[in-house]
Amino acid sequence: ETGVTQSPTHLIKTRGQQVTLRCSSQSGHNTVSWYQQALGQGPQFIFQYYREEENGRGNFPPRFSGLQFPNYSSELNVNALELDDSALYLCASSLGSPRMSSGNTIYFGEGSWLTVV
Amino acid sequence: GNSVTQMEGPVTLSEEAFLTINCTYTATGYPSLFWYVQYPGEGLQLLLKATKADDKGSNKGFEATYRKETTSFHLEKGSVQVSDSAVYFCALSGNSGNTPLVFGKGTRLSVIA
Repeated sequence: ETGVTQSPTHLIKTRGQQVTLRCSSQSGHNTVSWYQQALGQGPQFIFQYYREEENGRGNFPPRFSGLQFPNYSSELNVNALELDDSALYLCASSLGSPRMSSGNTIYFGEGSWLTVV
Repeated sequence: GNSVTQMEGPVTLSEEAFLTINCTYTATGYPSLFWYVQYPGEGLQLLLKATKADDKGSNKGFEATYRKETTSFHLEKGSVQVSDSAVYFCALSGNSGNTPLVFGKGTRLSVIA
């Protein structure tokens, strides 16, 4: 049990639709990041939020967007869904700062399985 | 950029066999290194980590040593159990704060009784 909860756990969307995934981070954690894990692959970094501001982004198009709220919970929004967006979306939280050294333990949620048909 | 390469699976072992999963990395500076485990239908769980050269991370009988000279972080366990069947991911994070994880592609381990 990592204290990171995600919803929904499974959902099916149609190509072209929009989806919002939600994440509640572990208590006290100020940093949340999102990863996409395609079937049989390792997770790929989408973006990260630190104290409500995006402070890092992977190689994903602008139709992937996010928010972090004052309580540090977060949303991932994907517009104009494509078939290749079908994946497990993982939220992760940590207590960090850009000025800290690396090695912060990052805790993952169980993920949201998205299927685009 | 930073990258992680781990041995291709699947790996199938008998119970009580010795396990090694190789992992090498490419990174600038001094990254932190991690092993995560993913059981069927679940998210990722941190198995162990090491934050500087020659550190040994260990947990639940698994060990990995941060070898800067060979840029490696191989995962080992002396005697695997059926319950260890899962996918194992090697990962690194860069040497400044709040940097994201870069993962390998994962190695599926199946342990048979």
